[in-house]
Amino acid sequence: AQSVTQLGSHVSVSEGALVLLRCNYSSSVPPYLFWYVQYPNQGLQLLLKYTTGATLVKGINGFEAEFKKSETSFHLTKPSAHMSDAAEYFCAVSESTGGFKTIFGAGTRLFVKA
Amino acid sequence: NAGVTQTPKFQVLKTGQSMTLQCAQDMNHEYMSWYRQDPGMGLRLIHYSVGAGITDQGEVPNGYNVSRSTTEDFPLRLLSAAPSQTSVYFCASRSLGTEAFFGQGTRLTVV
Repeated sequence: AQSVTQLGSHVSVSEGALVLLRCNYSSSVPPYLFWYVQYPNQGLQLLLKYTTGATLVKGINGFEAEFKKSETSFHLTKPSAHMSDAAEYFCAVSESTGGFKTIFGAGTRLFVKA
Repeated sequence: NAGVTQTPKFQVLKTGQSMTLQCAQDMNHEYMSWYRQDPGMGLRLIHYSVGAGITDQGEVPNGYNVSRSTTEDFPLRLLSAAPSQTSVYFCASRSLGTEAFFGQGTRLTVV
């Protein structure tokens, strides 16, 4: 069975500071990993994904994440926060070997202070 | 290029009423799913389908029914609405090896 744990339901950073959103996963088979962003009253938009190959994945809006198998982690980072990054972020996992289910974490709301 | 289309966007029901949330995708994806989103709980999987005629339960299936008669459509039925089903519902579709594509959501209130 798969599961996702996002550490911290709320994260607050100053504009220009590093953004770090933590995600740990559990999967019995090699995983596919995703980060989605949700702006208020909108659907979910894919930020980035890891399927195979390079473990450092770059996404939209300057975000990136690194797949660390030994730590079962897929943390999301951005070097310099912008006010427009304020949103809710979801980490998700699905199985790479024939599995279709995508399981989501509880989400982390990012606040960016001026 | 519509992607995943959900209707309606908003709905208010009285306790005990039934309704169907519609979901259609035009990407020929095999897999479709329904999630509900509640504050602090992320997205929880209600039901999913891996192809026409095949459905299965997710994490929170009670009170909901689904069917998949075509590749494109995956409606979610509430048989007897309860206040605990007040939530935002998202439909998603994907193929193996791709990410899930989401609809814009249906905000349901049960009074």
